[in-house]
Amino acid sequence: DTGVSQDPRHKITKRGQNVTFRCDPISEHNRLYWYRQTLGQGPEFLTYFQNEAQLEKSRLLSDRFSAERPKGSFSTLEIQRTEQGDSAMYLCASSSTEYQETQYFGPGTRLLVL
Amino acid sequence: GQNIDQPTEMTATEGAIVQINCTYQTSGFNGLFWYQQHAGEAPTFLSYNVLDGLEEKGRFSSFLSRSKGYSYLLLKELQMKDSASYLCAVRTGMNSGYSTLTFGKGTMLLVSP
Repeated sequence: DTGVSQDPRHKITKRGQNVTFRCDPISEHNRLYWYRQTLGQGPEFLTYFQNEAQLEKSRLLSDRFSAERPKGSFSTLEIQRTEQGDSAMYLCASSSTEYQETQYFGPGTRLLVL
Repeated sequence: GQNIDQPTEMTATEGAIVQINCTYQTSGFNGLFWYQQHAGEAPTFLSYNVLDGLEEKGRFSSFLSRSKGYSYLLLKELQMKDSASYLCAVRTGMNSGYSTLTFGKGTMLLVSP
């Protein structure tokens, strides 16, 4: 069990560019979550997958944000036409469906939009 | 909507005991989690309460009162490495087939020698 991993750890981009982040959950976890965290705030829920199905996406911040989990394993989060306000830490978490369903977080991708 | 309140900052001395409070107003409550987050790192799971009462885990304990919408995290024998942000998170929505976590803003704890 290597924990949740995310790539890249840091991303600097120019306004208007597209960026894509990857998350690899704990291998036996079928639930995967994306969050955004800004300075001084707690993580803010964005979207959720159970296996390959995206069961909640209404909290995605705008239509520039999209996420996929094509084979029910790793997931990607894409931000199109980035804006300076998108600068934040993007966290991925995974959980099993067993009792308690504790969410375990990856190290995050820190995005800076110039 | 959900509302979770916790103090912004707390300070304590190495070896002491500190209690971090969390109050919440929510619908569909189905558990409360505490996470620790060091600067620039991911949140790490500390404790979980779904029934009223105290859960103890080593130097950390967490208490829940559902009727009062109140929880606290108790840290004993503080160490310098306990300096971090402590996040209270409420889980809701299990009956709809999935659950989401709503986080408070976190309490920054500074432990001094």
